[in-house]
Amino acid sequence: EAGVVQSPRYKIIEKKQPVAFWCNPISGHNTLYWYLQNLGQGPELLIRYENEEAVDDSQLPKDRFSAERLKGVDSTLKIQPAELGDSAVYLCASSLDWGTGNTGELFFGEGSRLTVL
Amino acid sequence: KQEVTQIPAALSVPEGENLVLNCSFTDSAIYNLQWFRQDPGKGLTSLLLIQSSQREQTSGRLNASLDKSSGRSTLYIAASQPGDSATYLCAVLSGYSTLTFGKGTMLLVSP
Repeated sequence: EAGVVQSPRYKIIEKKQPVAFWCNPISGHNTLYWYLQNLGQGPELLIRYENEEAVDDSQLPKDRFSAERLKGVDSTLKIQPAELGDSAVYLCASSLDWGTGNTGELFFGEGSRLTVL
Repeated sequence: KQEVTQIPAALSVPEGENLVLNCSFTDSAIYNLQWFRQDPGKGLTSLLLIQSSQREQTSGRLNASLDKSSGRSTLYIAASQPGDSATYLCAVLSGYSTLTFGKGTMLLVSP
């Protein structure tokens, strides 16, 4: 069974340029997460989807970040314009909803490493 | 707001030692706790998940315990090997399906 797939793995851009990251979750997982991880830190939640609905986007900087999950499967995270401080690893994860027999275990992709020059 | 702390931040041991990594959380109203491993430049790999009603989980040389009332979990690694070198992250699921991570413990096992 395929795991969570993310692309691109690495991206280097100039500041003020746009960038987009793509995530394909594990088949059947209705919950999808985007996390931001800075060097030496634990991941921090940016946005959580249940199917197509963004149920928690309180930590997403909405002035420059946007995300979508069309048809409740793949998701795209966009940054426009990128700033120097956006350099980090962007992680996507998926899970089944906790409860009703599910543990809520999260499975992560390899991440997309962004460098803004 | 849930806060997760991991101690120590870094640990260096010789091969063969048994070791314990610690995780504490401030809000005991959790659904579950997960331990992850992260290799440099890689994503997170789930190691063990303990439901709030459980006290421990075991997988091979790994054993994770949970004391929800005191807000603590430990990850025990038996007979450590150089291949165990990685960063170990603890995360708790609480609130409205919010997963909160600690900063991790960086482990180095030397041959």
